[in-house]
Amino acid sequence: NAGVMQNPRHLVRRRGQEARLRCSPMKGHSHVYWYRQLPEEGLKFMVYLQKENIIDESGMPKERFSAEFPKEGPSILRIQQVVRGDSAAYFCASSDYSGNTIYFGEGSWLTVV
Amino acid sequence: AQKITQTQPGMFVQEKEAVTLDCTYDTSDPSYGLFWYKQPSSGEMIFLIYQGSYDQQNATEGRYSLNFQKARKSANLVISASQLGDSAMYFCAMREGPAAGNKLTFGGGTRVLVKP
Repeated sequence: NAGVMQNPRHLVRRRGQEARLRCSPMKGHSHVYWYRQLPEEGLKFMVYLQKENIIDESGMPKERFSAEFPKEGPSILRIQQVVRGDSAAYFCASSDYSGNTIYFGEGSWLTVV
Repeated sequence: AQKITQTQPGMFVQEKEAVTLDCTYDTSDPSYGLFWYKQPSSGEMIFLIYQGSYDQQNATEGRYSLNFQKARKSANLVISASQLGDSAMYFCAMREGPAAGNKLTFGGGTRVLVKP
């Protein structure tokens, strides 16, 4: 599990503000995934990215949510105009090309007040 | 239909005993992977074990083993010699073939409480 770095670990935002969550993949991994976990539920896939490309965003809400993985720097999950229903744990994961070992970061807990 | 089903919402296990966590899956893709993760109360998701659909042998990692029954579409996790630190939520997940990308579909989880 060591190596996937997420920050911040905890984030509090007021309704209408923006939340930015960052993820640096494990060394040698070029595939990044974002998942969301609501309380007492399993993780739900949001988006799959490679460097400078969004491969699959089928789990992303159509509005307010966006993700990027630039050539340099971490992957960013951006939530604009947050609402209370966005309160959740957001996990980033990374893998190599095979996807046989997918490691998660420690998660970012977003609380919207 | 649910792609990953974990039928045990919670269970108790005595310390030092073995415990089996059930997981069944549903896919028509011949190429897939099955994963187990542990989520302790601190919240992080810890990778435990992986089984590929073409792997001939059941996967093992220390005290964790995966009882893979392909015809039954089950991938149960066995934890041997339970320890107090094994108390956590356990999630089974599936990655389907290349066309589906590497995204994981998770089950609802099983909460394990190890009793001293």
